[in-house]
Amino acid sequence: GENVEQHPSTLSVQEGDSAVIKCTYSDSASNYFPWYKQELGKGPQLIIDIRSNVGEKKDQRIAVTLNKTAKHFSLHITETQPEDSAVYFCAASRGPGSARQLTFGSGTQLTVLP
Amino acid sequence: DAGVTQSPTHLIKTRGQQVTLRCSPKSGHDTVSWYQQALGQGPQFIFQYYEEEERQRGNFPDRFSGHQFPNYSSELNVNALLLGDSALYLCASSVLNSPLHFGNGTRLTVT
Repeated sequence: GENVEQHPSTLSVQEGDSAVIKCTYSDSASNYFPWYKQELGKGPQLIIDIRSNVGEKKDQRIAVTLNKTAKHFSLHITETQPEDSAVYFCAASRGPGSARQLTFGSGTQLTVLP
Repeated sequence: DAGVTQSPTHLIKTRGQQVTLRCSPKSGHDTVSWYQQALGQGPQFIFQYYEEEERQRGNFPDRFSGHQFPNYSSELNVNALLLGDSALYLCASSVLNSPLHFGNGTRLTVT
């Protein structure tokens, strides 16, 4: 089955700096890669996702890049703010639409220092 | 528009007991998936329900079972609870090509 590895496990940045989280996946058939943000006491919230036919996607301060050949994808957060502090999870899946079964990474605790 | 709602929010059970967790999907969603999240780890897929049938299943024993009702809501049942079943249980709903939307989970503690 699919295996997703995520690094680093913890990341501290100064407010205004950029943060980068990296993930690798094992199943070359995976075609959907979402990123979730989980705050304390809450469920994961989707922040951005990318499909395998796209190499990069951006939404305001957040961007995701995908390298299918190397089987890795990364989350980039620019101009970080204290409210960006949370645990971030990458995930990968194969299959169409709502049939997707997500395999998650182990998470990155991001702390933005004011 | 209500998102995914789960009940109860917290639950304490004794080893060997049985538990039922409930989930109402986001309005318009017809597919419900359940995930188990141990402390400090990413969520792990348990199973998925669509049209009242289990469509996919992860690597979980038969002690974990579920049900989906005609209104798309769902239940997760766990029998013969073990200490290792202590975790946050997340329900996620989706439809067609939409991303998964997660609820805030049920925190289960087995003593």
